Amino acid sequence: DTGVSQDPRHKITKRGQNVTFRCDPISEHNRLYWYRQTLGQGPEFLTYFQNEAQLEKSRLLSDRFSAERPKGSFSTLEIQRTEQGDSAMYLCASSLARDSSYEQYFGPGTRLTVT
Amino acid sequence: GQNIDQPTEMTATEGAIVQINCTYQTSGFNGLFWYQQHAGEAPTFLSYNVLDGLEEKGRFSSFLSRSKGYSYLLLKELQMKDSASYLCAVSNTNAGKSTFGDGTTLTVKP
Repeated sequence: DTGVSQDPRHKITKRGQNVTFRCDPISEHNRLYWYRQTLGQGPEFLTYFQNEAQLEKSRLLSDRFSAERPKGSFSTLEIQRTEQGDSAMYLCASSLARDSSYEQYFGPGTRLTVT
Repeated sequence: GQNIDQPTEMTATEGAIVQINCTYQTSGFNGLFWYQQHAGEAPTFLSYNVLDGLEEKGRFSSFLSRSKGYSYLLLKELQMKDSASYLCAVSNTNAGKSTFGDGTTLTVKP
């Protein structure tokens, strides 16, 4: 068990550019979540998958954000036409839905800076 | 919608006991989590409560009252390494999706 991994760990981009982040969950976990966290706040839910199906997407998410989990394993989060307000830590988490317990294991995050 | 409230900051002394409270209002409830997050790191799981009562795990205990929409995290025998942000999160009924509070920053002083 190598835990949840995310790539890249840091990304600096110019406003208007597109960025893509990758998350590799714990191998047997069927649920995968994306969160965004800014300084002094808790993680804010963006979207989640059960296997390859995207089951829920935050209403806070604009159309510039899209996520995929094509084979039910790794996931990608793409932000198009980045804005300075997108600067944040993007966290991925995975869980194994079992016995009504949804403990989530978080990856180290990707810190995005939009200049 | 969901609303989670917890104090922004707390300070305690090494070796002491501290209680961090969390109140919530949710449209569905499938359990309450506590996570610890050190500065610059990802959250790590501490506890999960779905039934009323106290769950004890070593130096950490967590309590839940569903009727009151209230939980607390109790940390005993505080150590300097316990200085961190403590996040209360509620899992809603349908998804296991968690809504997080903004965290309580605990500072442990010698």
